[in-house]
Amino acid sequence: NAGVTQTPKFQVLKTGQSMTLQCAQDMNHNSMYWYRQDPGMGLRLIYYSASEGTTDKGEVPNGYNVSRLNKREFSLRLESAAPSQTSVYFCASSALRGGWNYEQYFGPGTRLTVT
Amino acid sequence: AQKITQTQPGMFVQEKEAVTLDCTYDTSDPSYGLFWYKQPSSGEMIFLIYQGSYDQQNATEGRYSLNFQKARKSANLVISASQLGDSAMYFCAMREAGSNYKLTFGKGTLLTVNP
Repeated sequence: NAGVTQTPKFQVLKTGQSMTLQCAQDMNHNSMYWYRQDPGMGLRLIYYSASEGTTDKGEVPNGYNVSRLNKREFSLRLESAAPSQTSVYFCASSALRGGWNYEQYFGPGTRLTVT
Repeated sequence: AQKITQTQPGMFVQEKEAVTLDCTYDTSDPSYGLFWYKQPSSGEMIFLIYQGSYDQQNATEGRYSLNFQKARKSANLVISASQLGDSAMYFCAMREAGSNYKLTFGKGTLLTVNP
């Protein structure tokens, strides 16, 4: 099992460019998440998908869009990148058992720099 | 108000000694879960341990244990017999039943294990 995979690992964008971060999990998890990690801020939730076919905003959704392509894949799109979106992005997934989400498993992260 | 507070930005411990990393939380939801994650310098997020609000006993996983004091709203991580490989950033996180899909993270504690 690869767990949670993310591509790319590193990316440099110019202001205004767009890109899509890809995430896939092979653990048959219902729920998937996108976080960003900034120095001194911990992790903050951007968007999540409770189950296939649903997506919801998290704490910091502005400037991002997401697509839950199928149960395995959850992508994050930056339509017009801004320097404030320079960050490390993590995808995560979790199983839903008895109506409760347990631990989240994280991908290796994508380090994004916007110049 | 912060939901998760980690008051120790950095901690030092000698190899083979035990160390306690502090975490306090704030919630009015009677049903919640508390998590600890480790982030080594390589950047990945590694799940360590979970404590549910209704669990009668403190959680343990190998050298990790969670000192759960519900009345004080604290969930401190205890690492016994520290190893050099324990040097990392440690994050406390909480999920409330009222927002079952959202994991709120603290800002982390950087642990350094000295030989």
